[in-house]
Amino acid sequence: AQKVTQAQTEISVVEKEDVTLDCVYETRDTTYYLFWYKQPPSGELVFLIRRNSFDEQNEISGRYSWNFQKSTSSFNFTITASQVVDSAVYFCALSEASGANNLFFGTGTRLTVIP
Amino acid sequence: GAGVSQSPSNKVTEKGKDVELRCDPISGHTALYWYRQRLGQGLEFLIYFQGNSAPDKSGLPSDRFSAERTGESVSTLTIQRTQQEDSAVYLCASSLTSGANTGELFFGEGSRLTVL
Repeated sequence: AQKVTQAQTEISVVEKEDVTLDCVYETRDTTYYLFWYKQPPSGELVFLIRRNSFDEQNEISGRYSWNFQKSTSSFNFTITASQVVDSAVYFCALSEASGANNLFFGTGTRLTVIP
Repeated sequence: GAGVSQSPSNKVTEKGKDVELRCDPISGHTALYWYRQRLGQGLEFLIYFQGNSAPDKSGLPSDRFSAERTGESVSTLTIQRTQQEDSAVYLCASSLTSGANTGELFFGEGSRLTVL
């Protein structure tokens, strides 16, 4: 069965610190997609990244970077030099090729960046 | 606005009443999703619409839940005989392409339902 685990419920960091949000997934499919979404206090989820299971290259976008490791079934998200505006709940999600209509979300990690 | 619009933003109802939640997707988006988010939880998939195809209702938790969408326009999620465990934020999302794994879902701000 598919499953997404975000073990960190809440994290607090001081502004400018780096922070890594962990995501571990389970799937029997060989083709699948992984996502990160940000949910700020307004409630509207914002798409951050989508990766497919055949592309293990790490990705960097500004202060954001993602580390995809199939060997450990992890797709971790790092924010460098965190800012107060990064405070939000971050969700990792999985979609399988065999069940393309659904995104399976983790329970989220609430990040608080303290000024 | 250009985003996904949901109404009402907040709804308080009494147990046993029916409620209807509305979602206005981004114009041109063929795919529409409903998710439920209970307090402190992740999102639970409820239903998926793609154009005029039969919807994927596999996530609906009971027969008290139903949803409709006409073509590629507005969708309504109806909960009959509401129960306290239905209290949650109901999120709608739309996508330009079909299938949740093909690209970005654009989410609305949600409808917060409280059943007393």
